[in-house]
Amino acid sequence: DTAVSQTPKYLVTQMGNDKSIKCEQNLGHDTMYWYKQDSKKFLKIMFSYNNKELIINETVPNRFSPKSPDKAHLNLHINSLELGDSAVYFCASSQDHTKSYEQYFGPGTRLTVT
Amino acid sequence: GENVEQHPSTLSVQEGDSAVIKCTYSDSASNYFPWYKQELGKRPQLIIDIRSNVGEKKDQRIAVTLNKTAKHFSLHITETQPEDSAVYFCAAHDKIIFGKGTRLHILP
Repeated sequence: DTAVSQTPKYLVTQMGNDKSIKCEQNLGHDTMYWYKQDSKKFLKIMFSYNNKELIINETVPNRFSPKSPDKAHLNLHINSLELGDSAVYFCASSQDHTKSYEQYFGPGTRLTVT
Repeated sequence: GENVEQHPSTLSVQEGDSAVIKCTYSDSASNYFPWYKQELGKRPQLIIDIRSNVGEKKDQRIAVTLNKTAKHFSLHITETQPEDSAVYFCAAHDKIIFGKGTRLHILP
């Protein structure tokens, strides 16, 4: 009974390709997030959506485009992949848009760009 | 820009001893301060949190203290055990900013 799930778990692709990572939460939460964790383990927020609306958009290249078809899903599409995009990407969700609630993280997607 | 500083980046303690990790933040609007534990190859998971109207919170061997005036908060783990070995992240919410993590090693 997974609370926050992501697919795929591993993604190996070549530079220049376009790829997507999917995220789903079954907790009934209003807010979902994407984080990037680099090789030094730094965890940085990329985007946040509340009830399908974008509320946080950090300084992220516009090659990254989040899409939220409904409040239970937040997918991440990446165009023209670069070597520096290699990282673990975590999806997360929290109760509501005030952000002052525990975040539940997905298992992560390890993206390797060759 | 807003920032969260976390120290130390690496901490080794003898099993049974206490561990303390400290964070400072810059955004005065921050009102929620969670701590996450990330075991190797796993997802971050909340272990304890504190809100800005509280100075201290304890849950068994784990405690968090908050000094809003000084803008710093700390994680205290007592009677450390091997399973406490992990990377610990602090965070400060209004804007969501994570510290850079502390790798805690519990030595046998």
